[in-house]
Amino acid sequence: QVQLQQWGAGLLKPSETLSLTCAISGGSFSGFYYNWIRQSPGGGLEWIGEISHSGSTSYNPSLKSPVTISVDKSKNQISLKLSSVTAADTATYFCAAYEFWSGYRFDYWGQGTPVTVSS
Amino acid sequence: DIQMTQSPSSLSASVGERVTITCQASQDINNYLNWYQQKPGKAPKLLIFDASTLDTGVPSRFSGSGSGTDFTFTISSLQPEDIATYYCQQYDDLPLTFGGGTKVESK
Repeated sequence: QVQLQQWGAGLLKPSETLSLTCAISGGSFSGFYYNWIRQSPGGGLEWIGEISHSGSTSYNPSLKSPVTISVDKSKNQISLKLSSVTAADTATYFCAAYEFWSGYRFDYWGQGTPVTVSS
Repeated sequence: DIQMTQSPSSLSASVGERVTITCQASQDINNYLNWYQQKPGKAPKLLIFDASTLDTGVPSRFSGSGSGTDFTFTISSLQPEDIATYYCQQYDDLPLTFGGGTKVESK
């Protein structure tokens, strides 16, 4: 059974860089696309972007803070970096995965990492 | 971006009652729509994909319908464990976008 375990700093000051990691276990790493999705304190869900096992990325152009999603195939991990964060980036961040043949069926999710941006 | 308008934002229903949620897309998304259930403190759980196909293990009291711009999610007989927030999500085009959510509460 595929499992996603995520971690990262939960409290940041404005202008700092958000950095989260998601480790994938229990399945073929190359068989999935890996995504980051965040949920605001009000409950709204926002897609941040995705990466394939080979490193091909797509990002949400609506995000105001610069985003980088990367992959470390040697560790079966993906990472999210959000630069110059503001209070608007306060949210719970989820990594989520879908099998490459299934087309955005997010069957697999990490446990979520709450992130607060405050001075 | 494709806007997803979900209604109502909240509802109260009794156990055994039929619950219906609607989701409207700002443009034609064919049937590229997922429905998720989320309980407090947990990640969303996929219930329905391709607008009407139940994911593995999802009880048959859940159903989805629609195509194009208008979609419906139904719980035929609400159970206590169905108390949660439900979200629609389109995947016809990037960026992926979600509806605002419907909080289902117990009456």
